[in-house]
Amino acid sequence: DAGVIQSPRHEVTEMGQEVTLRCKPISGHNSLFWYRQTMMRGLELLIYFNNNVPIDDSGMPEDRFSAKMPNASFSTLKIQPSEPRDSAVYFCASSLSGRNIQYFGAGTRLSVL
Amino acid sequence: SQQGEEDPQALSIQEGENATMNCSYKTSINNLQWYRQNSGRGLVHLILIRSNEREKHSGRLRVTLDTSKKSSSLLITASRAADTASYFCATGTNAGKSTFGDGTTLTVKP
Repeated sequence: DAGVIQSPRHEVTEMGQEVTLRCKPISGHNSLFWYRQTMMRGLELLIYFNNNVPIDDSGMPEDRFSAKMPNASFSTLKIQPSEPRDSAVYFCASSLSGRNIQYFGAGTRLSVL
Repeated sequence: SQQGEEDPQALSIQEGENATMNCSYKTSINNLQWYRQNSGRGLVHLILIRSNEREKHSGRLRVTLDTSKKSSSLLITASRAADTASYFCATGTNAGKSTFGDGTTLTVKP
């Protein structure tokens, strides 16, 4: 299995631009998680889906952030408009529902200038 | 705020020594997991211990769980330079969601 695949690995953009991060979970996994990691705030859960349905989005910082999971094999996290404080590493993880063990992608390092 | 809090924040040891990291949490849990993160990489699951278990082993890893004290420890025996990484605990619930702590940064000097 290829594991969780995230793209792009690195993204540099200017303030105000739209950013879209992509994630392909492990085939057969039905839970998907988006995290943000910074030195100041550590690893924060932004949103998680179960069977393509958002279950908990309480970690989404503000309306500029949105996430979708149109099917079991694809999810996006969009930031519009982006701000310098959004600079972080964004991770996607997947798991089998109820199993708790999460498999992480390599992350997307986002820099907003 | 995070559910789990690791202690210490940073640990530096010599190769061959044992490394012990601790995790405290606040609410009832279904299980507790430990993950490793190498620099610039995603987290990798190491071991899961259920709430009705007290100790679990996996290779050079030993995890203990004390639900009365809401704490867990991860022991890495005979450490190697390759063990240098950040280690995170995560508390799991029946809902399938896990909450991660802030991590312990371990440096193993050759």
